Amino acid sequence: EAQVTQNPRYLITVTGKKLTVTCSQNMNHEYMSWYRQDPGLGLRQIYYSMNVEVTDKGDVPEGYKVSRKEKRNFPLILESPSPNQTSLYFCASRRPGTGDYEQYFGPGTRLTVT
Amino acid sequence: AQSVTQLDSQVPVFEEAPVELRCNYSSSVSVYLFWYVQYPNQGLQLLLKYLSGSTLVKGINGFEAEFNKSQTSFHLRKPSVHISDTAEYFCAVSVWNFNKFYFGSGTKLNVKP
Repeated sequence: EAQVTQNPRYLITVTGKKLTVTCSQNMNHEYMSWYRQDPGLGLRQIYYSMNVEVTDKGDVPEGYKVSRKEKRNFPLILESPSPNQTSLYFCASRRPGTGDYEQYFGPGTRLTVT
Repeated sequence: AQSVTQLDSQVPVFEEAPVELRCNYSSSVSVYLFWYVQYPNQGLQLLLKYLSGSTLVKGINGFEAEFNKSQTSFHLRKPSVHISDTAEYFCAVSVWNFNKFYFGSGTKLNVKP
């Protein structure tokens, strides 16, 4: 089944403790992206990647890092999480350049930073 | 810079009634427009998209949207809603290379029996 998976689905952590949220897709998509969803703000793009080793900032990259060493994986790294990073995070992927601009979203990761 | 405004945060409607969810965008360049639906505790699913051509776009589940360039709007409509349409709906825009996406704040559609 074609899908985007995220792990963990729920995470409660403390301020300053480094964490990684994994994202994996099995559709051989070149493009992947991370978003955070906050009430009243919709989704805001954090980082995106056009292909392996090619990443760029979205609208809200501060406090986050990403890496793209393999096409299928695009982890989101919070080196020193803070309470304002408490949010619902979504990973998405799509295959650019084919006219199919549909993004396929993962199920989300709910992160709480205390 | 691009921005998207969804004018209604919540829209209550009775089953089988028509509904319109409003979306306006701001951009200095040509945009591509999308509507996504999010059911409770799930990710987002594409409803429809406007890339070019006919300004009336039909999507899944009986939804349609009309691109109006002069009014910079992309309102979503359904002639008769069902209970199962209860969800949050997001309007989004992207620009020429489809790498950056800008989402509205969302509209919660609550369909009542």
